[in-house]
Amino acid sequence: DGGITQSPKYLFRKEGQNVTLSCEQNLNHDAMYWYRQDPGQGLRLIYYSQIVNDFQKGDIAEGYSVSREKKESFPLTVTSAQKNPTAFYLCASSIEDRSNQPQHFGDGTRLSIL
Amino acid sequence: GDSVTQMEGPVTLSEEAFLTINCTYTATGYPSLFWYVQYPGEGLQLLLKATKADDKGSNKGFEATYRKETTSFHLEKGSVQVSDSAVYFCALRVYSSGSRLTFGEGTQLTVNP
Repeated sequence: DGGITQSPKYLFRKEGQNVTLSCEQNLNHDAMYWYRQDPGQGLRLIYYSQIVNDFQKGDIAEGYSVSREKKESFPLTVTSAQKNPTAFYLCASSIEDRSNQPQHFGDGTRLSIL
Repeated sequence: GDSVTQMEGPVTLSEEAFLTINCTYTATGYPSLFWYVQYPGEGLQLLLKATKADDKGSNKGFEATYRKETTSFHLEKGSVQVSDSAVYFCALRVYSSGSRLTFGEGTQLTVNP
């Protein structure tokens, strides 16, 4: 079945450590997105990519980095500069340049600090 | 800029009650509108969508009508079930804003037997 796979489901980070969250899609979508969700809150956009080898900052990009070397993959690195990384991270994808098309979401990665 | 405002939760209902979750929006262009549902510990699933004024999106007994004159997209269901307990997000997408979705804060719905 086509979909978005995020891994791992749970991740723990030590102080000063960088961690990378994986996001893979087999929907042949051009655009991919990373969101952060804090308890009881909506989603905030971290980074997005509309085509391979290109990406843009969202609303809360500080302390995060991404790459888009392949159409199917959009990994997110949470760096040690992100001082409050504990949250639920959601990856999404969509057909690009079609505002009437929805975004499809993965099942998320829950990141906690040790 | 673009924004979405949802009614504050949480909302608690008894099974078979009528559900309304209000959603209003402001947009810089002509938006498409979406409702997503999030079950505990999971990602978001698209529930329904509407792409132009007066369109009605529907799915699994849920409905929402795109009202341009009132800039609203309220979610309704005639008879809720315990399995409908989840968080519901209203969202919009405007081509002129690129490809990003703008979300409301979410409304927690709990349905008791």
